[in-house]
Amino acid sequence: DTGVSQDPRHKITKRGQNVTFRCDPISEHNRLYWYRQTLGQGPEFLTYFQNEAQLEKSRLLSDRFSAERPKGSFSTLEIQRTEQGDSAMYLCASSLVSGMNTEAFFGQGTRLTVV
Amino acid sequence: KQEVTQIPAALSVPEGENLVLNCSFTDSAIYNLQWFRQDPGKGLTSLLLIQSSQREQTSGRLNASLDKSSGRSTLYIAASQPGDSATYLCAVTPNTGFQKLVFGTGTRLLVSP
Repeated sequence: DTGVSQDPRHKITKRGQNVTFRCDPISEHNRLYWYRQTLGQGPEFLTYFQNEAQLEKSRLLSDRFSAERPKGSFSTLEIQRTEQGDSAMYLCASSLVSGMNTEAFFGQGTRLTVV
Repeated sequence: KQEVTQIPAALSVPEGENLVLNCSFTDSAIYNLQWFRQDPGKGLTSLLLIQSSQREQTSGRLNASLDKSSGRSTLYIAASQPGDSATYLCAVTPNTGFQKLVFGTGTRLLVSP
């Protein structure tokens, strides 16, 4: 499968625990995005990488959240001291910016439930 | 601030009908517009991408149009099938700074056999 891959697909954690999610983008894609989606809403932007550089973070990304993309390949999103409000689907997307084409391709998401 | 609205929020049709989903956005300064499909509990599947200079794109039974000046896009689905049942999301890429997607809340479509 050459699409965007996310792991795990589901995560249940107790409030206060730390969790880490992984995203493997399409191999030649230079941009990687993280979005969060709550029930009945559209995805909301969290952060974005151009190769290994994190170029923008949303105000939604509190200091408990950190994302990395070492060597411009896979990315990880860590949430420290999870809260019930962090329960959501976390979506990763990648794109290859080439001229006018910036089509984004999404993974299957990681559904986080904080109990 | 760019805002994207999708109408209707939900739609139920019998199999075989042609249907139109609507998307509107408040700021016409966009780079492109993308339509996605999302099945329950799943990620997003890209259906069509329309560049700001284009008026429409077609893929199989799907046709998406873009009127940038009026801030509107439509997704036309011909001869609907039960397998088309899903949530359809519209997203724009603002033409400012870096390129993130701004999503609407989606239209939940149910096609009955």
